[in-house]
Amino acid sequence: GAGVSQTPSNKVTEKGKYVELRCDPISGHTALYWYRQSLGQGPEFLIYFQGTGAADDSGLPNDRFFAVRPEGSVSTLKIQRTERGDSAVYLCASSPGLAKDTQYFGPGTRLTVL
Amino acid sequence: AQKVTQAQTEISVVEKEDVTLDCVYETRDTTYYLFWYKQPPSGELVFLIRRNSFDEQNEISGRYSWNFQKSTSSFNFTITASQVVDSAVYFCALSEAGRTGNQFYFGTGTSLTVIP
Repeated sequence: GAGVSQTPSNKVTEKGKYVELRCDPISGHTALYWYRQSLGQGPEFLIYFQGTGAADDSGLPNDRFFAVRPEGSVSTLKIQRTERGDSAVYLCASSPGLAKDTQYFGPGTRLTVL
Repeated sequence: AQKVTQAQTEISVVEKEDVTLDCVYETRDTTYYLFWYKQPPSGELVFLIRRNSFDEQNEISGRYSWNFQKSTSSFNFTITASQVVDSAVYFCALSEAGRTGNQFYFGTGTSLTVIP
């Protein structure tokens, strides 16, 4: 079956611009996660959705970052007024929804802020 | 404090050698889950194994084996007879059942290079 997909695969933008990153989870998975991975580091948690609601957004670094999942499937991570420090690979994962469940990751979106 | 520590940043081995990747975790939960993922140069994280805190049996899958020891809070991963295709970054991760977020805490990864 289809895995987690993310678009675009690469995004180059200028400092101060707005970007949207999209995640399409595995069909039937109620939980969706966003992580950010900087070079040489492990993925860092940003936000978790259970269905349509953000169950935990404690990892969002500041109010420039926002994510939605309006219909409980596709999710969009939105970054306003991008900064060079936002450059990273943004990973999306989905799972059936429990702590014991394996999270399956997408290929990521590489964001570069010039 | 780092919940998952992978002290080995980079390891190089010659093909056919065995190699062990270390993972030490920290949690106050009695129920938790441990995972290993492989991240090849293509970048996508590939799930390898999941272990729950109540199951300390070691597991073997082909050339891969995992040693879970609660007494030392370690979940080490051994590759036997390594191959060039094993070259990747390997991440250990922890999920705590008590948290509503179910987020994974990842280590910083161990970059394995298998030299032909």
